[in-house]
Amino acid sequence: GQQLNQSPQSMFIQEGEDVSMNCTSSSIFNTWLWYKQDPGEGPVLLIALYKAGELTSNGRLTAQFGITRKDSFLNISASIPSDVGIYFCAGRGSGNTGKLIFGQGTTLQVKP
Amino acid sequence: DADVTQTPRNRITKTGKRIMLECSQTKGHDRMYWYRQDPGLGLRLIYYSFDVKDINKGEISDGYSVSRQAQAKFSLSLESAIPNQTALYFCATSEGGWTEAFFGQGTRLTVV
Repeated sequence: GQQLNQSPQSMFIQEGEDVSMNCTSSSIFNTWLWYKQDPGEGPVLLIALYKAGELTSNGRLTAQFGITRKDSFLNISASIPSDVGIYFCAGRGSGNTGKLIFGQGTTLQVKP
Repeated sequence: DADVTQTPRNRITKTGKRIMLECSQTKGHDRMYWYRQDPGLGLRLIYYSFDVKDINKGEISDGYSVSRQAQAKFSLSLESAIPNQTALYFCATSEGGWTEAFFGQGTRLTVV
């Protein structure tokens, strides 16, 4: 079946640094979503991407839908302590009823 | 109040016991989902329902059953709980398609 590989698995950075994480798939996706999960909470949608090549920003967050439709990345600029959490990518493929498939998550820790 | 509410938030149960996790939503969405989260594995789909009369298995449905009592309510049951069902369980809803899912706060289940 379809699988998503998300990297890195974890990051420990200094406040103010930029962060980049990505997801790759062995097959084509029609939609890419990026979620953030705070400790003890459910995932919350950050950015949704619907077209190959699309670049979308949400405040300090920027995400892109790869041209090949097999990858996506999320950048966070000028990180702050409240960026701490687990970031998940999710993709929706074609020809399989469109189920959302989630990456394994990237755990981000920010040192003040 | 949260749009998607899960009860209980935490539960410890013994091997072999039957347990039900409940989910209710005020978003008016037709589509509801149950996911399981394990460290390093992301979120995996257990069951999903497109409306009250439609129930579908996800990728890891063995050992689980669901009931869609109303548009707003979707419950997950473990008929005979086993230790490897210890995990964080999330209910989610979506308005249509699979493009965006809204998650509850999760139920942490421990089977001893």
